[in-house]
Amino acid sequence: EPEVTQTPSHQVTQMGQEVILRCVPISNHLYFYWYRQILGQKVEFLVSFYNNEISEKSEIFDDQFSVERPDGSNFTLKIRSTKLEDSAMYFCASRGRTGEQYFGPGTRLTVT
Amino acid sequence: AQSVAQPEDQVNVAEGNPLTVKCTYSVSGNPYLFWYVQYPNRGLQFLLKYITGDNLVKGSYGFEAEFNKSQTSFHLKKPSALVSDSALYFCAVRVYAGKSTFGDGTTLTVKP
Repeated sequence: EPEVTQTPSHQVTQMGQEVILRCVPISNHLYFYWYRQILGQKVEFLVSFYNNEISEKSEIFDDQFSVERPDGSNFTLKIRSTKLEDSAMYFCASRGRTGEQYFGPGTRLTVT
Repeated sequence: AQSVAQPEDQVNVAEGNPLTVKCTYSVSGNPYLFWYVQYPNRGLQFLLKYITGDNLVKGSYGFEAEFNKSQTSFHLKKPSALVSDSALYFCAVRVYAGKSTFGDGTTLTVKP
């Protein structure tokens, strides 16, 4: 069965540093998403991406965040200057024409 | 706006007893409903979904859920709980082309 993959599984960074989280969506999917889950809390929508542009974003997704599909296979989330409160699990998801959304295993980001 | 309510933070059941984890939703349009399970320090694991068709949906590990349109509910059930079912359970809703909105999660504890 096809699956969404994410790298790294765990990223530790210092406050103020830039991080890039990577995702490889399912190959024929066209819609891509990032979600965030602060430890022990609910999963929150960050951004959706279609046709090489952001289609929707939440209040969390401020100017510190950006997304990109640089090469037709990867889908990345960049945080320009990380804050302590950015520590969370970040999930990538992709969706095809059937409507089913597949989640990746997540990247745990720890900002120290 | 769409929303999901999981009214119970915690559900405790004895092993072998039936379990129910409650979920109600609000959405404009036809809902796509999902249940996910999350074990400590792990990602979201898909359990089951309702998109259309039979209101009773069967999923992984013996779980099932019943879609009730009039009550806008999608409760997760299992006839006989196992200790290994102890985890955090999330209900999620979306419309076809939209983002997923998650509930706050319910911690299920199954005692031997």
